[in-house]
Amino acid sequence: AQKITQTQPGMFVQEKEAVTLDCTYDTSDPSYGLFWYKQPSSGEMIFLIYQGSYDQQNATEGRYSLNFQKARKSANLVISASQLGDSAMYFCAMREINNNNDMRFGAGTRLTVKP
Amino acid sequence: ETGVTQTPRHLVMGMTNKKSLKCEQHLGHNAMYWYKQSAKKPLELMFVYSLEERVENNSVPSRFSPECPNSSHLFLHLHTLQPEDSALYLCASSQDGDQPQHFGDGTRLSIL
Repeated sequence: AQKITQTQPGMFVQEKEAVTLDCTYDTSDPSYGLFWYKQPSSGEMIFLIYQGSYDQQNATEGRYSLNFQKARKSANLVISASQLGDSAMYFCAMREINNNNDMRFGAGTRLTVKP
Repeated sequence: ETGVTQTPRHLVMGMTNKKSLKCEQHLGHNAMYWYKQSAKKPLELMFVYSLEERVENNSVPSRFSPECPNSSHLFLHLHTLQPEDSALYLCASSQDGDQPQHFGDGTRLSIL
């Protein structure tokens, strides 16, 4: 069964607007971490933001924020004030602390920022 | 400066060749990982090393053989690969626990 689901294969957003990339997850481990990574066409995976399962507040890092809804098992990434350089693949990932730190990635969402 | 360096960046090899991918991390992390990224498939975790001991092997064929001589270096030895092994191979490192993984730029492998 899929542990990480990203339902949007591709998304478009106008420059300077905000965009939300969806991610839902499935785990029975009470201790887990959620991550978002960006992968530009050059191939490197760039860590963006992290949310722990016990964190009370939504994580924020600059223009990135994570909308963590634990009961719904969702961890959507919100990018505010989109820039052309934000065009890339975005991957949601989950790490289960009590499962050998098993790390699983979603299939990714390709974001295109239009000028 | 990513902190995680992979060499080579590109590799083309025949199915009977033997080659090795190298990964080096300069972040003082105690865990290292190999991932495979194929077109149209999610990133697949292949191997995990924690404190230089292999803790996970996700049913990876034996033609892939990892080696972790110390906490800063990780190798992936390749032998008799198949065309379906063509992919981007990513190395990552982290501190154990819930810390994020930092990735290298990857080696793009093509099997002829």
